[in-house]
Amino acid sequence: AQTVTQSQPEMSVQEAETVTLSCTYDTSESDYYLFWYKQPPSRQMILVIRQEAYKQQNATENRFSVNFQKAAKSFSLKISDSQLGDAAMYFCAYRANFGNEKLTFGTGTRLTIIP
Amino acid sequence: DGGITQSPKYLFRKEGQNVTLSCEQNLNHDAMYWYRQDPGQGLRLIYYSQIVNDFQKGDIAEGYSVSREKKESFPLTVTSAQKNPTAFYLCASSSPRHSSGNTIYFGEGSWLTVV
Repeated sequence: AQTVTQSQPEMSVQEAETVTLSCTYDTSESDYYLFWYKQPPSRQMILVIRQEAYKQQNATENRFSVNFQKAAKSFSLKISDSQLGDAAMYFCAYRANFGNEKLTFGTGTRLTIIP
Repeated sequence: DGGITQSPKYLFRKEGQNVTLSCEQNLNHDAMYWYRQDPGQGLRLIYYSQIVNDFQKGDIAEGYSVSREKKESFPLTVTSAQKNPTAFYLCASSSPRHSSGNTIYFGEGSWLTVV
């Protein structure tokens, strides 16, 4: 069974600084997707970024980028120029790339932005 | 607007009662999912359906039931057999044929409280 581990329950960063959230996963599949979702206090799950396992290039979305290390099964999220609106729970998630497979989530990292 | 609509936003259940949470999507997605989130924790899969008239148990299906009679709808019933139903419930959907491929999209969630 696939598992996703987020070892940092809480992180904090000064506004305008850079922070990296860690995620590791375990799978025997070779074709899969990895995601970072943001959950603000409203509880809405918002997709931040996704990475396809077959793509070696790390995904980037504006201030958000990932460091995908397939051999190490590591998928970290880097937030540059942190803003107050980035404060939220961040969840790492895995999904096998066949059919309509389920998402498996980590336990989340609560990110606090210090003004 | 296209999206996933969950109702009600807040629901209170008395001991011994069954309650049903509604989830409707107009994204033409094939697959739909129900997740449960407890305070400070990640998301756990209750049930999912990859096609109309078919569904599979997730990791915590005991005490819950679902139906998938229409592509657009995937209601979740929390039965009296679920001993600790107080939680936040999230419905989601996806389709591999959609341009977004493997991304799962979420509704805004429903809060269920036992009184």
